Amino acid sequence: GQSLEQPSEVTAVEGAIVQINCTYQTSGFYGLSWYQQHDGGAPTFLSYNALDGLEETGRFSSFLSRSDSYGYLLLQELQMKDSASYFCAKGGTYKYIFGTGTRLKVLA
Amino acid sequence: EAGVAQSPRYKIIEKRQSVAFWCNPISGHATLYWYQQILGQGPKLLIQFQNNGVVDDSQLPKDRFSAERLKGVDSTLKIQPAKLEDSAVYLCASRPDRDGGETQYFGPGTRLLVL
Repeated sequence: GQSLEQPSEVTAVEGAIVQINCTYQTSGFYGLSWYQQHDGGAPTFLSYNALDGLEETGRFSSFLSRSDSYGYLLLQELQMKDSASYFCAKGGTYKYIFGTGTRLKVLA
Repeated sequence: EAGVAQSPRYKIIEKRQSVAFWCNPISGHATLYWYQQILGQGPKLLIQFQNNGVVDDSQLPKDRFSAERLKGVDSTLKIQPAKLEDSAVYLCASRPDRDGGETQYFGPGTRLLVL
């Protein structure tokens, strides 16, 4: 079957750096997306890796290794507002699949 | 630019009743998605439209769920009859076109409680 696995919960302190991992088993893989979702809110797009390597967008970076079927989201200079759930997702034109999700708690 | 609109925002029904959700995507967005998100889980794709054609409905429980996107603009998702396990948030998302980038824009969702 197709799946994207993530740790269920990660805790870090304000100002720290945290990495959220995503390992996948899917067919027809086109790339890896990351979404943020605050409690009661809708998912919002953060980043997309079509190719292997690191993509940087402000405090957020995302990495993909197709050979290892693995990616991660790196959040730097953590802020309280970063407390949310983070989902990786198999990208592409169709057969979109979201990961199990990681709940990030940022402590003061 | 207006975002994805969904209604109603909340709905409470009894099992075996019917319910319908409406979505109006961002103007000009060709691709429209319906997701089901159960509490504590990631969104699960139910159906994907490209304009008014279905691209993927492999995870849509077709014995009780149906969806349409007439004229390639807004869309409705219906459940008939509802079961307790249908309690979830139903999210609608849109994307500009097949090669218009990866970003999906989500609406606020409809929270459904089946009693």
